[in-house]
Amino acid sequence: KAGVTQTPRYLIKTRGQQVTLSCSPISGHRSVSWYQQTPGQGLQFLFEYFSETQRNKGNFPGRFSGRQFSNSRSEMNVSTLELGDSALYLCASSFDSLNEKLFFGSGTQLSVL
Amino acid sequence: AQKVTQAQTEISVVEKEDVTLDCVYETRDTTYYLFWYKQPPSGELVFLIRRNSFDEQNEISGRYSWNFQKSTSSFNFTITASQVVDSAVYFCALSDSNSGGSNYKLTFGKGTLLTVNP
Repeated sequence: KAGVTQTPRYLIKTRGQQVTLSCSPISGHRSVSWYQQTPGQGLQFLFEYFSETQRNKGNFPGRFSGRQFSNSRSEMNVSTLELGDSALYLCASSFDSLNEKLFFGSGTQLSVL
Repeated sequence: AQKVTQAQTEISVVEKEDVTLDCVYETRDTTYYLFWYKQPPSGELVFLIRRNSFDEQNEISGRYSWNFQKSTSSFNFTITASQVVDSAVYFCALSDSNSGGSNYKLTFGKGTLLTVNP
């Protein structure tokens, strides 16, 4: 069974640009959640999608958005990039909920110059 | 508000020593879930254990053991006879709904970097 796949693995952008990250969950998993990891703030919950609907959201500005497709694949978008958005973005999937074991991808390392 | 505190930022031990990683949590919910994840240098978080708030039994899995105490809101993790391969960042996490509903949110601690030296 394939694991959680995130693309791209590395990304370099400049301030003001926008970026889209992709996540393919484990087959059969319907919940996809996103996390930002930085040395200063640690791992922070961005949002969770279930059956194409955002079910929960963390405390991030509206520049951070996402969506989920009918095949459970998810994308995360960050508009008007800031230097502080440089981070490792991790995606995780589970069958149904965030109270279950999560399977994480290897992440997308975003650098904003 | 939900909060997870891992007071130990870094721990360094010599191989074969026992080591305990501390985790203290805060939640208003009566139903919640606690987790430990391991993040090796490759970056991918790996699930270690899940415990719900109604199950205070301690658990042992090989060299790993977990001590859950609701009275002190702690969920500590012990590695017995540590090995170099245990070197990683370990995260404690709390999942609760903050309202008793079904929309769970996951809060991570800042992590503890464990270095096991040969």
